[in-house]
Amino acid sequence: ELKVEQNPLFLSMQEGKNYTIYCNYSTTSDRLYWYRQDPGKSLESLFVLLSNGAVKQEGRLMASLDTKARLSTLHITAAVHDLSATYFCAVGGRGGSEKLVFGKGMKLTVNP
Amino acid sequence: NAGVTQTPKFQVLKTGQSMTLQCAQDMNHEYMSWYRQDPGMGLRLIHYSVGAGITDQGEVPNGYNVSRSTTEDFPLRLLSAAPSQTSVYFCASRSGGTHAEAFFGQGTRLTVV
Repeated sequence: ELKVEQNPLFLSMQEGKNYTIYCNYSTTSDRLYWYRQDPGKSLESLFVLLSNGAVKQEGRLMASLDTKARLSTLHITAAVHDLSATYFCAVGGRGGSEKLVFGKGMKLTVNP
Repeated sequence: NAGVTQTPKFQVLKTGQSMTLQCAQDMNHEYMSWYRQDPGMGLRLIHYSVGAGITDQGEVPNGYNVSRSTTEDFPLRLLSAAPSQTSVYFCASRSGGTHAEAFFGQGTRLTVV
């Protein structure tokens, strides 16, 4: 059974600081997604990671994937208040299974 | 381009009532899914469809029915609502292709009293 764990689940950080959050999954997968959710809103796609060593960057966020370790990281550089949100990773089963499993999400608060 | 549209946005039901949550997408996506989001639980898959006429169960299917008669629509039916079904429900769609990302609707906040 595929399980996805995120840590930390809550993070409060100062503007300008850097931090890395982690997403571990339990079984082999061929794709991993990162989503952002603002309070009371829907989910917004951030990154799709498909292969070992994949690295993608968008603004102050950079995501990477290590399929051998079953680990993805989301690195925040020089945080700003607008990054405050909940971040989810989601992992798809092997062979393109539609059964996407989400982590519990990490609530990020960036303080001025 | 509307994307994924869910209706209603908010709903209050009494225990035992039935209702249908609507989901429509205008992107001609093959795959559609329903998730529920509960505090501290992330999103959990209820049912999904890989094309018109084809549906399957997700992680938490009990108490919910779905059908997919057209590519565009994927309604979720609660036959007899229970307080445990109080949640925020999200519909998502994505194109065919193993790795395509999913696009989510705005959600339906359901309260069962």
